[in-house]
Amino acid sequence: EAQVTQNPRYLITVTGKKLTVTCSQNMNHEYMSWYRQDPGLGLRQIYYSMNVEVTDKGDVPEGYKVSRKEKRNFPLILESPSPNQTSLYFCASSSLSYPLRTGGAIEAFFGQGTRLTVV
Amino acid sequence: LAKTTQPISMDSYEGQEVNITCSHNNIATNDYITWYQQFPSQGPRFIIQGYKTKVTNEVASLFIPADRKSSTLSLPRVSLSDTAVYYCLVGSRAGGGNKLTFGTGTQLKVEL
Repeated sequence: EAQVTQNPRYLITVTGKKLTVTCSQNMNHEYMSWYRQDPGLGLRQIYYSMNVEVTDKGDVPEGYKVSRKEKRNFPLILESPSPNQTSLYFCASSSLSYPLRTGGAIEAFFGQGTRLTVV
Repeated sequence: LAKTTQPISMDSYEGQEVNITCSHNNIATNDYITWYQQFPSQGPRFIIQGYKTKVTNEVASLFIPADRKSSTLSLPRVSLSDTAVYYCLVGSRAGGGNKLTFGTGTQLKVEL
């Protein structure tokens, strides 16, 4: 079954304590990304990766790091979390390869989300 | 990426057909129209995409007029389980970028 798996689902931490949210996909997708979702702001892209060892900033990258050492994994790292990073986080993956059943449309697969609270 | 505009919320009753319209006046030639569905505390799920005319799958239909400046997602005979946020996105995989730009979506509430 095609899956994007995030862990943990829920996390409460204190300001400044480094944390990592893991993301793994089993579809051999090249493209992976992280989004955060906040009320009234929708989903905003944090970082993305187009392949192994290729990462780039999205719209709201400040305070986050990522790495892509393996194709299937794309962890999100908060080196010094702050309360304004309290949010719902989603990892997503999609294929860059052609041809696909969706043609030029982007079919992304999302994880179940990680609800992070920083106190 | 073309900006989209859709209603903030809609209410319906079970068994009715629901049509959610999205406007995207600045859609580019290469852009596709894609709709995602998101249930509370879950990630968005791709439900349908189209380029022009009408597309139908097991979940929904998508109507796109000739000028492509708008599109309508049609959900036939909705049930309580269709209560979700529906996002209209416009973009393309051309150029190798797969970034999705989400707006605030349309909150659909289905009641008995």
